[in-house]
Amino acid sequence: AQSVTQPDIHITVSEGASLELRCNYSYGATPYLFWYVQSPGQGLQLLLKYFSGDTLVQGIKGFEAEFKRSQSSFNLRKPSVHWSDAAEYFCAVNMNAGGTSYGKLTFGQGTILTVHP
Amino acid sequence: NAGVTQTPKFQVLKTGQSMTLQCAQDMNHNSMYWYRQDPGMGLRLIYYSASEGTTDKGEVPNGYNVSRLNKREFSLRLESAAPSQTSVYFCASSELLVPNYGYTFGSGTRLTVV
Repeated sequence: AQSVTQPDIHITVSEGASLELRCNYSYGATPYLFWYVQSPGQGLQLLLKYFSGDTLVQGIKGFEAEFKRSQSSFNLRKPSVHWSDAAEYFCAVNMNAGGTSYGKLTFGQGTILTVHP
Repeated sequence: NAGVTQTPKFQVLKTGQSMTLQCAQDMNHNSMYWYRQDPGMGLRLIYYSASEGTTDKGEVPNGYNVSRLNKREFSLRLESAAPSQTSVYFCASSELLVPNYGYTFGSGTRLTVV
């Protein structure tokens, strides 16, 4: 069965430090890949997405992610974290990539980011 | 503002009671989804509707029913609520095809069953 793994449940960084959140998926082909952010009590907001082409994608709020086919990974990065980045981050994949799909996303368990001043 | 609207935002039910969670989107999206979010488990798909007139089960459909009332609205019904259904429920909508594919989420309904 398809699955998405975010190995880190909770990460703490200092403001201004760099950040990398990990995401791995299990699937034979290249899926569509997404990162979402959820602030407390809010819905999920799309940070970035990957469908094909350049494996380094840029998103909102200064985030980027790199797709590595050989590692089945789609890690999220930010060079310098701000206190406002504290939130929960979800990686998601659509395993039905290619042609018309029913659009179902499978989500990872989430990574909670705490930012220390 | 364009987006996905969920009602209510909060609800407390007694075991065995029924209720319907409402969801409406104004982006003319074809597909709509209901997820539940539980700590440490991410979001799990309950039901989805690929297009108006169709609905299908997701990963955790037991205890729920849905209705795609029209292209805009997709409701989730709990016929006999159980404490295990205490969760935060999110509705989402999307276009299906690249490059516009990607979910827009509502702000969620926090449901407690006592």
